Amino acid sequence: QSALTQPASVSGSPGQSITISCTGTSSDVGSYNLVSWYQQHPGKAPKLMIYEVSKWPSGVSNRFSGSKSGNTASLTISGLQAEDEAEYYCCSYADSSTWVFGGGTKLTVL
Amino acid sequence: QVQLQESGPGLVKPSETLSLTCAVSGYSISSGYYWGWIRQPPGKGLEWIGSIYYSGRTYYNPSLKSRVTISVDTSKIQFSLKLSSVTAADTAVYYCARSHYGSGWFDPWGQGTLVTVSS
Repeated sequence: QSALTQPASVSGSPGQSITISCTGTSSDVGSYNLVSWYQQHPGKAPKLMIYEVSKWPSGVSNRFSGSKSGNTASLTISGLQAEDEAEYYCCSYADSSTWVFGGGTKLTVL
Repeated sequence: QVQLQESGPGLVKPSETLSLTCAVSGYSISSGYYWGWIRQPPGKGLEWIGSIYYSGRTYYNPSLKSRVTISVDTSKIQFSLKLSSVTAADTAVYYCARSHYGSGWFDPWGQGTLVTVSS
């Protein structure tokens, strides 16, 4: 069970849109629509932002959106705001009722 | 409002067993959902350790399975993690979280507790 692959860092200016990719395999992302995304600010616990690939939990802004194609899931943040600067992690259900996280992507708002 | 709170020793000696408890408030563990443990080594990413259903059914990360035991105490509204034969590589912030296997999420999370493995 290997970690999902995410870019180490992405950046964007306020108001712009960015996309973070999350690449897995046919044993996880490619086979299940159970991809979730988490936002983590320094020293804080992760916060659920997207689940089931593209669904929003209550209270999460619709500026955050998710999608999936094949073995790669993506998180898009539109209308970037300063408070979006954080680490983002993807997570996927995997074979044998296990879960695998991505390595994390640091988003910098310029 | 569901809240989770981890507790346990912040320092564990190498080769000993790490033991943590997650207290759940605002929700009855017996009402459903899975309850999981996730850890994060300093400066690194998240790693799922394992999850337990209120009935006691467990699933573990294959890479940790031989050393991990997760149990649930519905009467005390808490669940626990034991990780044996720890080494410095087990130093991490340990989080507990509620999870939903059908919808694939972990929410909410506890605040996390740092466990350092050192003699």
